[in-house]
Amino acid sequence: EDKVVQSPLSLVVHEGDTVTLNCSYEVTNFRSLLWYKQEKKAPTFLFMLTSSGIEKKSGRLSSILDKKELFSILNITATQTGDSAVYLCAVVVSGGGADGLTFGKGTHLIIQP
Amino acid sequence: NAGVTQTPKFQVLKTGQSMTLQCAQDMNHNSMYWYRQDPGMGLRLIYYSASEGTTDKGEVPNGYNVSRLNKREFSLRLESAAPSQTSVYFCASSESLSLGYGYTFGSGTRLTVV
Repeated sequence: EDKVVQSPLSLVVHEGDTVTLNCSYEVTNFRSLLWYKQEKKAPTFLFMLTSSGIEKKSGRLSSILDKKELFSILNITATQTGDSAVYLCAVVVSGGGADGLTFGKGTHLIIQP
Repeated sequence: NAGVTQTPKFQVLKTGQSMTLQCAQDMNHNSMYWYRQDPGMGLRLIYYSASEGTTDKGEVPNGYNVSRLNKREFSLRLESAAPSQTSVYFCASSESLSLGYGYTFGSGTRLTVV
């Protein structure tokens, strides 16, 4: 059974801190890993990672994948209160007959002023 | 830029009632999906449609049916609602995950079954 585990499940930091969110996975036929940010409503897409060691960056957010150790991290530098959200990690597998994503349970990040 | 539109946004049902959740996308995507999100459980795939005319079960299909009405629309039906189906339901669509854009999600339907 495909499994995606995120840690920590919740995290409270102060504005300006840097945070690292973790996602490990055990799946067959890995294709890619995605990160989403979910505030009050629908998840919004952040990154898709398919190759090891290549950092994806968008402003203060960055992410990298390690396919040997089967994990990914999402970094947020100089955090702001607007970064408060649930961050979801999801893995896409190929050949399993289900063209869908397996999601982790998410990390609930709270940024205090 | 509507993206993925879900209706209704909120619904309260009595046990045993039926209802259909509607989803439409205007991005000409081939694939559409229904997820449910419960506290502490993350997002779980109920059904998906890889392309118009096809539907397949996901992780938690029991108690649900779907219809891919055309390329734009993908509906989710609860024939006899149960309290265990109280959840937030998200519809999503994708052109191709390999293109790197992931899914586009609708804004969700909060369903309560009493």
